[in-house]
Amino acid sequence: SQTIHQWPATLVQPVGSPLSLECTVEGTSNPNLYWYRQAAGRGLQLLFYSVGIGQISSEVPQNLSASRPQDRQFILSSKKLLLSDSGFYLCAWSVRWGVGTGELFFGEGSRLTVL
Amino acid sequence: AQSVSQHNHHVILSEAASLELGCNYSYGGTVNLFWYVQYPGQHLQLLLKYFSGDPLVKGIKGFEAEFIKSKFSFNLRKPSVQWSDTAEYFCAVNAGDKIIFGKGTRLHILP
Repeated sequence: SQTIHQWPATLVQPVGSPLSLECTVEGTSNPNLYWYRQAAGRGLQLLFYSVGIGQISSEVPQNLSASRPQDRQFILSSKKLLLSDSGFYLCAWSVRWGVGTGELFFGEGSRLTVL
Repeated sequence: AQSVSQHNHHVILSEAASLELGCNYSYGGTVNLFWYVQYPGQHLQLLLKYFSGDPLVKGIKGFEAEFIKSKFSFNLRKPSVQWSDTAEYFCAVNAGDKIIFGKGTRLHILP
């Protein structure tokens, strides 16, 4: 069966420090991968999505970036965190083609606090 | 740009009342549609989904939703709510490779 792992679960970082959140999927190949940020009253904001290795689409211009170095690995990064980057980040995957396309399977989430 | 609108941000109902939560989307192509639920302190879970076929889809816990293509809508309904339905509900649309969410509706059921 498919599983998705996301880490770290929580982290506290000072302003200006770098960030790396990682997500890996097991049990499936060629998934679409997504990074969302969830904030109260704002739903899930799509940050990045990827349909293949090295293919990243950015939805929201900001100081975050994403990379997909392997088929089932998705990384969210920042070189210098801002206070406004605090939030709850969710990684998710979906089947790329055929039945089930668009149904998301979420990781456990990462709670980021920038001080 | 593609978007999803959920008209009700906060809904308060008494137990046994009927529920309808609105969802409209903006996208000109073929869509897949979803409702997710997040119970207090828990992670998101899929409530129901529409891919094709019968526009009236049934999900878990007595929920259903109707896809009306001409109105770009996918409203969520339940004939009689329970206190345990207190949660936040999110509508989502698969527009091409993007999956876009609405801002959510907080549902509070009074016992």
